[in-house]
Formats: sequence, C-alpha cells, structure tokens
Amino acid sequence: GENVEQHPSTLSVQEGDSAVIKCTYSDSASNYFPWYKQELGKRPQLIIDIRSNVGEKKDQRIAVTLNKTAKHFSLHITETQPEDSAVYFCAASMGYGGATNKLIFGTGTLLAVQP
Amino acid sequence: DVKVTQSSRYLVKRTGEKVFLECVQDMDHENMFWYRQDPGLGLRLIYFSYDVKMKEKGDIPEGYSVSREKKERFSLILESASTNQTSMYLCASYSGTGVRYEKLFFGSGTQLSVL
Repeated sequence: GENVEQHPSTLSVQEGDSAVIKCTYSDSASNYFPWYKQELGKRPQLIIDIRSNVGEKKDQRIAVTLNKTAKHFSLHITETQPEDSAVYFCAASMGYGGATNKLIFGTGTLLAVQP
Repeated sequence: DVKVTQSSRYLVKRTGEKVFLECVQDMDHENMFWYRQDPGLGLRLIYFSYDVKMKEKGDIPEGYSVSREKKERFSLILESASTNQTSMYLCASYSGTGVRYEKLFFGSGTQLSVL
C-alpha cells in the first residue's frame, strides 16, 4: 500500500524566513497531493493541493512542487509569519474512485515561527 | 456552512468496554474516513467508506470495525477497548466519486481515554 514519509518532524524559523517541508510517496499511481495545516487544538484544514498533471502550484506565500519521477513533493512557505506556526501534514491518494479514494498522510511537521 | 459532527469531544472508557464513536456529515458526501492521531505518528487511516454499506480497511484496522447504514453517518466501533487505543479520533468526509479528489472536511475530534 501507499506509504508517505515526511521531513523534518520539527522546523524552527525566524519570522520572514522561508520554510520547506518535504514528502516522499511510494505508490507511483498516486495522483493527488494535498497539504493540511493543523493549528493547536483545531481540526486539520486544507491549505493547498496539487495533482499529478502539474509540477508546481502557488497561492500567495504558499507553493507546492511535485517531482513525479522522484516521487516527492514539497511545501514552500515564504515570508513566514507567527500565524504560520502549526503542524503541517502532507498526503497522497490515487483517487480513481471507490476503494482507491483513501488518503494517506505523512507524520506531520511542527513549524515554529519565532518573532 | 459545511459540518462534520462527532458525537463526543471527550470520552473515558474502561478496558474491555465496547465503544461507539459517531460521525455525521450534512454535505451529502459519498466518502467518509476515520483516522487516529497520535503524537509523532501523524494521521493514520483506520477505515474508510466510499458509499453506503461499503467499507475498506485502512492501515490500522485491527481492533476496530465500522458501520455505514446511512450516507450521512459513519460509526467507528471498538469491540473491546484497550489502553493502546487511547488516542484522538478524527472523522472526515469529502464529495467525489471519480478521479476528482476534493478537500477533506474534518470533524473536531474525539479524545478517547481507555483506563
């Protein structure tokens, strides 16, 4: 089955710096790669996603890149702010319908942005 | 607004008890999931369902079962609770029957303690 590895497990940056979180996946049939942000005591929420037909996607200060050959994808946050502090999860899915719709998450990265 | 509701925020049970965790969504979503969240282990998929009465095992189904008799409700059952099932349980749902994977909506979670 699909396995998703995520690194680093913790990341501390200064406000204004960039942060990068990396994930690798095992199943080459995976075609959907979302990123979720979970603030302390709250439920995870989708912040950005990418499908296998594109290599990069940006949304303001957040970007995700995908390398299908190497089976890895990354989250990039620029100009970090204290409110970016949270746990970030990557995930992967084949999503062809039915039983392939399961979404497998990485182990999470705790990002701390120091003011 | 979209809602995924979990019946209990906190639950304390004794070893050997049968435990029911209920999840209801009001968005007419086909796909529903149960994850458990443990520090350092991320979100691990227990079971998911892509249609009424359909269920698929996730990565850690041992000790759990599920029921989906109605589209809006997905129940997680711990047949005989054990201390290693103490965890945060998150329910999630999304719409989509084919390749178009959409974002997951999470419930607020149930923190289960088994004594």
